[in-house]
Amino acid sequence: SAVISQKPSRDICQRGTSLTIQCQVDSQVTMMFWYRQQPGQSLTLIATANQGSEATYESGFVIDKFPISRPNLTFSTLTVSNMSPEDSSIYLCSVGGGQSNQPQHFGDGTRLSIL
Amino acid sequence: GQQLNQSPQSMFIQEGEDVSMNCTSSSIFNTWLWYKQEPGEGPVLLIALYKAGELTSNGRLTAQFGITRKDSFLNISASIPSDVGIYFCAGNNAGNNRKLIWGLGTSLAVNP
Repeated sequence: SAVISQKPSRDICQRGTSLTIQCQVDSQVTMMFWYRQQPGQSLTLIATANQGSEATYESGFVIDKFPISRPNLTFSTLTVSNMSPEDSSIYLCSVGGGQSNQPQHFGDGTRLSIL
Repeated sequence: GQQLNQSPQSMFIQEGEDVSMNCTSSSIFNTWLWYKQEPGEGPVLLIALYKAGELTSNGRLTAQFGITRKDSFLNISASIPSDVGIYFCAGNNAGNNRKLIWGLGTSLAVNP
């Protein structure tokens, strides 16, 4: 399976600031996804990052708060904007799930704490 | 959003015991996946199931795709301390662009 690298692995940020999380894959992939996992909870899909077009956001998530870039088939970024303590979570990038019905594989996540 | 019913929520067992957990859905799925997540890491895929009735093993782990396509179980035989973690089920149907629906997880603790 693909090797997925996320940066940063963790960060502590001040409220009101923004942080951009990077996801790099070692091979070209069709589908890339961004998830949020709040402490002790399951995974919640934020959006599907589409190469060459706008991301597809799930209910409850908007582009102004979580802008996503997908400039090519191996890279994506998620920005958490104007952060508040409620944004403290693990943010996970995954790849897979395309036409070949490949299961999704995950990076190790970014642990974000907002003070 | 939709979530799967995963049970039990947590388990505390003795090393060497067998473990069983399951997930149920109100709708039919085409794919069932089982993941394990350890602290500080992302979920790691354990087993993928694609056909109703399919029974698949990965070492001491065995998972089955329910015949009704609305449920799946994961068994772990002869548990060891490194089995500790949170196990998640996830599934999807082809009609929702491969979006995964997730269970709430089963937290497993193993007493050596």
